Amino acid sequence: SAVISQKPSRDICQRGTSLTIQCQVDSQVTMMFWYRQQPGQSLTLIATANQGSEATYESGFVIDKFPISRPNLTFSTLTVSNMSPEDSSIYLCSAGGQDQPQHFGDGTRLSIL
Amino acid sequence: GEDVEQSLFLSVREGDSSVINCTYTDSSSTYLYWYKQEPGAGLQLLTYIFSNMDMKQDQRLTVLLNKKDKHLSLRIADTQTGDSAIYFCAVMNNNAGNMLTFGGGTRLMVKP
Repeated sequence: SAVISQKPSRDICQRGTSLTIQCQVDSQVTMMFWYRQQPGQSLTLIATANQGSEATYESGFVIDKFPISRPNLTFSTLTVSNMSPEDSSIYLCSAGGQDQPQHFGDGTRLSIL
Repeated sequence: GEDVEQSLFLSVREGDSSVINCTYTDSSSTYLYWYKQEPGAGLQLLTYIFSNMDMKQDQRLTVLLNKKDKHLSLRIADTQTGDSAIYFCAVMNNNAGNMLTFGGGTRLMVKP
């Protein structure tokens, strides 16, 4: 199964700044996704990271706020832009193939002051 | 869209069996997953089942799928204190870009 590394594992940021989270997979995968887990909540899909093209965003999430890159089949980034305290969450990357289960990284715990 | 429901909380005694239940709404769901999340950690894939299966067993874990009722369960035999965590049911639909829809999670507490 794929091993997924995320960094940073946690960060404390100032309001109005931006943070880029990196997700590295140890093997080539077809699908990569970004999820948000707000405190005490379940996971909500932010977007599907498409290799070589723009990400596909779910309702309620927009590219200006959460720009995503996926330059190749093993790497993706999520940027949380112009952060506010409401963005304090765990952000998780997942990866999997067409007929393979999705595995998750350990997540990035983000707090905004 | 897909809706996935779980009960919020389950408490069992060490050594007993735990059964965590999940219901979903989309009958075209293809893969159904169970993930475990311990405090401060990410999600660990425990097991998964294809929609053409009724049951899957993996050591202490047994997954049962009732497609007619759109009901999925996870049974943990001989539950240990280390099994205390939040368990998420997640459902995938290949027709929806392989995205996962998660239930709200069931917090399992194991008492010694």
